[in-house]
Amino acid sequence: DTEVTQTPKHLVMGMTNKKSLKCEQHMGHRAMYWYKQKAKKPPELMFVYSYEKLSINESVPSRFSPECPNSSLLNLHLHALQPEDSALYLCASSQEWSRGTDTQYFGPGTRLTVL
Amino acid sequence: AQSVTQLGSHVSVSEGALVLLRCNYSSSVPPYLFWYVQYPNQGLQLLLKYTTGATLVKGINGFEAEFKKSETSFHLTKPSAHMSDAAEYFCAVKDLAGGNQFYFGTGTSLTVIP
Repeated sequence: DTEVTQTPKHLVMGMTNKKSLKCEQHMGHRAMYWYKQKAKKPPELMFVYSYEKLSINESVPSRFSPECPNSSLLNLHLHALQPEDSALYLCASSQEWSRGTDTQYFGPGTRLTVL
Repeated sequence: AQSVTQLGSHVSVSEGALVLLRCNYSSSVPPYLFWYVQYPNQGLQLLLKYTTGATLVKGINGFEAEFKKSETSFHLTKPSAHMSDAAEYFCAVKDLAGGNQFYFGTGTSLTVIP
C-alpha cells in the first residue's frame, strides 16, 4: 500500500479561525513533508520531518505550525491565516529524508480557502 | 542550487499522437531525476525516476524517459496519447549530495485533442 491520506479534502476558514490539517501514512516511512501549491505552479516545500523531528522549515510564517505526534501522523495547525494562504496543501512521505533515490509519495491534498 | 527547465508550459497533442515533454536540468553533476503527474484536484503521482543504471527508464501508463548526460536532459515521451493523459506534468531533480529535497520544474499542462 503506497497511500498517503489527508483530511479534510476541502477547508474554508476565516482569518481569525484555528484549524488543523491531518496527514497519515502506514508505509513505515520515516520522513514526512508539507508542501504548498498554488494554482498552475509546482509544489513549494514548507516543512520536513525526519524520525518525528523537524529537519527543515523553509522560512514558513509562524501562523503555520507543524506537528508530528508519531511516525505515521503529521499535522499542520493553522491560525490567523491570510487570504494569500489559500492553496492546495500537500503531504508527502518517503522512506528516509537523507536518501536522494527515495520516492516521495504524495497525498491528494487539502484545498484551503481563507476568507 | 539546481534549476529545472520545462520547455513549453502548455502542450497539445492529438489522441494517438506522440507525447514529448521536455525537461533540462542545470547541474554539471547528474542529479536524480523524476517525472510526476498531477490530475486535476489530486496530488502528485510518480511516473518514473532515474537514479543509476540504464538511461532509458520505463514508467507507468506507457511513459518513458531517457537520461542524456551530454544534453542535461530527461525528456518524457509516450508513443500514443490517450485522453486520460491530460494532466499537469512536473519534472523534478534531487542533488546527489544528499537530502530528499526536490527542485521542481514549472510544469507542463498536457491537453489531448480527440
